[in-house]
Amino acid sequence: DAGITQSPRHKVTETGTPVTLRCHQTENHRYMYWYRQDPGHGLRLIHYSYGVKDTDKGEVSDGYSVSRSKTEDFLLTLESATSSQTSVYFCAISVVAGLSTDTQYFGPGTRLTVL
Amino acid sequence: DAKTTQPTSMDCAEGRAANLPCNHSTISGNEYVYWYRQIHSQGPQYIIHGLKNNETNEMASLIITEDRKSSTLILPHATLRDTAVYYCIVASTGGGNKLTFGTGTQLKVEL
Repeated sequence: DAGITQSPRHKVTETGTPVTLRCHQTENHRYMYWYRQDPGHGLRLIHYSYGVKDTDKGEVSDGYSVSRSKTEDFLLTLESATSSQTSVYFCAISVVAGLSTDTQYFGPGTRLTVL
Repeated sequence: DAKTTQPTSMDCAEGRAANLPCNHSTISGNEYVYWYRQIHSQGPQYIIHGLKNNETNEMASLIITEDRKSSTLILPHATLRDTAVYYCIVASTGGGNKLTFGTGTQLKVEL
């Protein structure tokens, strides 16, 4: 698991409400990622971070924002949740091992339902 | 990042080797082949990765063809717990790599 936790693990919310998901790592890995997974699909990258206060957009970033004020935490915010954002959200970290190869390790996921 | 092609599903008898193919004909010279698997709705689990040489670890072996246009993941003695969706991904590395997941191969291991 590479010391990755996500909170909450499950959340049900209503359309139009703000939602923040938290990803926490116990090690000081530089790169962190947020993905979403919808039924029958692979994971799609939402946002990623390459350091404190350094973030960039992924493939499906519309409607999401992120923040990283300290190395160990990467927050994903849905400013005004919509039903299309009902999904399972996975956080990942990148571990760099020998010869500069990155390997991503994933958290357990957060199941979000927007009614 | 290059795109990969995998069969939608495969079956394997428990105790036998599971050989999962992947085509990545447009892979670039600096891109690695990564394999992950996902059991039910758990987070994807890293299995193995390689550049051009064959690789082996405690979970699996990765065979990459000489032209690097395809690869095979081998689970030497599949068990029921290996039933999962297996994803083959090609990605550059160094400086953080952004993974592009396809729909993968659903491997069902049966008695």
